[in-house]
Amino acid sequence: QKEVEQDPGPLSVPEGAIVSLNCTYSNSAFQYFMWYRQYSRKGPELLMYTYSSGNKEDGRFTAQVDKSSKYISLFIRDSQPSDSATYLCAMSRIKAAGNKLTFGGGTRVLVKP
Amino acid sequence: GAVVSQHPSWVICKSGTSVKIECRSLDFQATTMFWYRQFPKQSLMLMATSNEGSKATYEQGVEKDKFLINHASLTLSTLTVTSAHPEDSSFYICSATRTGTYNEQFFGPGTRLTVL
Repeated sequence: QKEVEQDPGPLSVPEGAIVSLNCTYSNSAFQYFMWYRQYSRKGPELLMYTYSSGNKEDGRFTAQVDKSSKYISLFIRDSQPSDSATYLCAMSRIKAAGNKLTFGGGTRVLVKP
Repeated sequence: GAVVSQHPSWVICKSGTSVKIECRSLDFQATTMFWYRQFPKQSLMLMATSNEGSKATYEQGVEKDKFLINHASLTLSTLTVTSAHPEDSSFYICSATRTGTYNEQFFGPGTRLTVL
């Protein structure tokens, strides 16, 4: 079993819909959670960074962390075709700069006009 | 802020030659840089962790002599693929974390390597 599980998709939604993405993890030591967006043949771009449980909102993006369930989510409101990409969750145990991240496999999202 | 560049963005080389890929943090100092490999439609595979001024730490299964990493300054790390073969063809991506207690990684745009 992988440490971080993420449905590979593709997740297809109509333009304007809410995109709902999630990851589950097994290691209760993870405390820092990130969501990255990766367009085809590009490097990942950091979207959201959260610490411990709770919600964080940034524009159309909302990240949720439920440590008791070992479950994190990313919601994208008013989705646009430009949101079509692969979304990767990542997590870390400690806040040290040299600490490795554990990534999910990524979910491919298609927003249809 | 937190921009990471990579050069070249793509490279084609003959089998048996060596290829060097540069990773630079443009607007911040990076104590630690990471090198990843990514195959089509797959997630990132960490190859090694590079700390400025010290030897890189390689992940299990990654050949140290084949993938040479040098982190000579707080803004530059290089990955050299030595004696490249077609199976080394892949998308190589670096990331960097800012000096201090920050664990967010900022990624470069990636380098596509094709070995003929």
